[in-house]
Parts: sequence; C-alpha cells; structure tokens
Amino acid sequence: SQQGEEDPQALSIQEGENATMNCSYKTSINNLQWYRQNSGRGLVHLILIRSNEREKHSGRLRVTLDTSKKSSSLLITASRAADTASYFCATRNSGNTPLVFGKGTRLSVIA
Amino acid sequence: EPEVTQTPSHQVTQMGQEVILRCVPISNHLYFYWYRQILGQKVEFLVSFYNNEISEKSEIFDDQFSVERPDGSNFTLKIRSTKLEDSAMYFCASRAGVDEQFFGPGTRLTVL
Repeated sequence: SQQGEEDPQALSIQEGENATMNCSYKTSINNLQWYRQNSGRGLVHLILIRSNEREKHSGRLRVTLDTSKKSSSLLITASRAADTASYFCATRNSGNTPLVFGKGTRLSVIA
Repeated sequence: EPEVTQTPSHQVTQMGQEVILRCVPISNHLYFYWYRQILGQKVEFLVSFYNNEISEKSEIFDDQFSVERPDGSNFTLKIRSTKLEDSAMYFCASRAGVDEQFFGPGTRLTVL
C-alpha cells in the first residue's frame, strides 16, 4: 500500500532560507526516517523519529511527527547550496517490516 | 564510521544474462535488504533477509531474483535472466535492530 507521500514534489529556495518538506502516511507506524539523495547517488540517512516522539533535532535539521494527522515534516534551516538533493521519508509499520518510501521532494537551493 | 558498501558501482549487461550484485552490510547488523529505484521513481522494496533466510519479499521479487549470504560478510542479489525493465539503481541496506537503516551507495544496473 502507498505510504509516505511527500509534498511539495519540488521546492526551490534561496540560500539562507529555510526549507520545509512534508510527509503523510496512511497506516500506523513504528518509526519514520528521512533520507537525502543527491542526484544518481545513494541514500544518506538523516534522522529517525519514533512514533512516541513529537520532535527531534540534528544540526540544522528539525523533524516533527504528528501521529494523529499521520504526518511528519522536515525543516532545514539556513539552507546551503550543498543541501540541493531529493529528500525522502520512509516509514516502518512495525519492528521487522520493511521501510516504505515516498516519492520524495526535490529541493534546489540557489546560491 | 562503518558503512554499507556495494560493488560494482555500475554494471552493464545484455538482456537475458545473469548478474550478481554484491553488498557488504555493516558488520554487527542483523537485517539485510535490497531495494531498487528506477530512474526518476521512488525507492521500492525488493526483499528482506534475517537469520539466513528471506523474511519478506515484494511482488517485484519473482523467481528471477535470489539472495544469498554466502559467508559472514557478503550479501548478494542475483538476477537470473535480466530484462530491460530491470535497469535501475539497486540499493543494499542493513540495520542492527528496530532503528536506523543504512543504505549503500547503490549499483546502477543497465540492461541492453
């Protein structure tokens, strides 16, 4: 089943601005993870948030999770050109089920 | 920092040929995965492997696909008879427990 839909599909901002990407999902989850993918490259793990957590920070990243709305957001503050990439959310329903990915948000940060 | 590694980075093959994609998961991890990403599309789950057996597989993972963990470190994906539509990036991933899942850099498979 479809899980983890990000919006917007594409986002273009100026360097120094904040970027917010959203992810919605359909079923209950154990955790939600955000990944970055530079064009044609691998998936870099950014941050994991568990179903009993509401917010987590890592450097310039802030992730929120609202299980009542089945949604998460990824905020990148003070964006840099090097943040240009696709960002994916992926959800895990329970302990051993596979991660299911959304279609991703393509972020372009213009210097 | 430990990481998942994959070889080769790019594989070109003729339709109908067999390919083996190789992965070395992070050493203390217990769960292993293969995913694929067709160009411009989402990352799709293929198969998960735990305790030396397949724990789950998707409908993509048909009889043409197989996985093996031949020794304590390698984890391989074999496609027996490649089709044009198998062209994609193939990602290996591993995790220790219920938490973070780490992906390798991928193998780009091109089927001609």
